[in-house]
Amino acid sequence: NAGVTQTPKFQVLKTGQSMTLQCAQDMNHEYMSWYRQDPGMGLRLIHYSVGAGITDQGEVPNGYNVSRSTTEDFPLRLLSAAPSQTSVYFCASNAGVITEAFFGQGTRLTVV
Amino acid sequence: EDQVTQSPEALRLQEGESSSLNCSYTVSGLRGLFWYRQDPGKGPEFLFTLYSAGEEKEKERLKATLTKKESFLHITAPKPEDSATYLCAVQAGRSNFGNEKLTFGTGTRLTIIP
Repeated sequence: NAGVTQTPKFQVLKTGQSMTLQCAQDMNHEYMSWYRQDPGMGLRLIHYSVGAGITDQGEVPNGYNVSRSTTEDFPLRLLSAAPSQTSVYFCASNAGVITEAFFGQGTRLTVV
Repeated sequence: EDQVTQSPEALRLQEGESSSLNCSYTVSGLRGLFWYRQDPGKGPEFLFTLYSAGEEKEKERLKATLTKKESFLHITAPKPEDSATYLCAVQAGRSNFGNEKLTFGTGTRLTIIP
């Protein structure tokens, strides 16, 4: 089982560029989430989804968009990259409420 | 506002030297407390879920316990391969979905010296 797969692993963007971080899971999980991890801040929830066609905002949603057209995929779009979005991004999936999250390997994004 | 505080920030132990990591929390309506292990350059890996005060869970050299205000991750006779950052997260509040109420601590970076 691949679990949760994120691409790319590393990315450098210029301020104002847009891009999409890809996330796919093969566990048939309904719940998927995007987090960012910054030094001294812990993991913070950006957006989440409880099933295909259903998404909602987390703690730090500004500057990011998501959609969920299939159970397997949950891409995160940066609309106009800013240096404040330099971070490590993790995608996660859960089988249900109050269950453990399975995380991808992360995407290290640098915005210059 | 839900808060999760982990201590210490970093801990260096000799191989075989047992110790405990602390996760204290202030939340309204705890639904679950999670422990994860994170290796450098990797995503967090699930270790334990605790649901109510008094609950304990064990896995190899690790044992997690829960009270109404804090959780401890006890590590017994650690080995160098136990070196990692250990993250605590709490899920609280009443919601249909649950994910939006998951709050992570900043972690304890554990180093085991051979």
